[in-house]
Amino acid sequence: DTGVSQNPRHKITKRGQNVTFRCDPISEHNRLYWYRQTLGQGPEFLTYFQNEAQLEKSRLLSDRFSAERPKGSFSTLEIQRTEQGDSAMYLCASRLPTDRDDYGYTFGSGTRLTVV
Amino acid sequence: KNEVEQSPQNLTAQEGEFITINCSYSVGISALHWLQQHPGGGIVSLFMLSSGKKKHGRLIATINIQEKHSSLHITASHPRDSAVYICAVGTSGTYKYIFGTGTRLKVLA
Repeated sequence: DTGVSQNPRHKITKRGQNVTFRCDPISEHNRLYWYRQTLGQGPEFLTYFQNEAQLEKSRLLSDRFSAERPKGSFSTLEIQRTEQGDSAMYLCASRLPTDRDDYGYTFGSGTRLTVV
Repeated sequence: KNEVEQSPQNLTAQEGEFITINCSYSVGISALHWLQQHPGGGIVSLFMLSSGKKKHGRLIATINIQEKHSSLHITASHPRDSAVYICAVGTSGTYKYIFGTGTRLKVLA
């Protein structure tokens, strides 16, 4: 599988617990994005990595959210002390470097989080 | 008012019809993407454009930078085109992308 891989596909957690999601982008894609999507809405930008550097983070992202991409390959998104409002689909997308990008995003299938 | 607006929100068409979906934005952009999302959530990138027009098969995307408007056209529509079509803009000076809420298209056989 040469696409963007996200794990787990589904996560059900109790309010207050911490969760961590993983994204494995396409290997030559140095740009990686995390988005959150709720029912009936378009994806909302959460954060952006270029290689291992986190270059932008949405103001939507509270201090309970943290993302890493330690070696510029896979990325993790952690949510601490989950709340019911965190329930959503978390999408990861990757892209080729700017000087090679003529197609745009490749999205993963997402991780659906349900906080009960 | 949302920074990216799509119209219509919902669209039902008969097979074979020519379809147009519109996207208007109010921010300065670096690029605009059209995406397709099928039931179950999978998102596929259709086009990325910053000027002019692109064509891929039965799909055509245009953008008018001065008017801050883009259109996605589907010629000879088919039931398999049924999906949500989302417009996303990359904002100038940031890495952030803003997504529209999507246009839900249903093509009837």
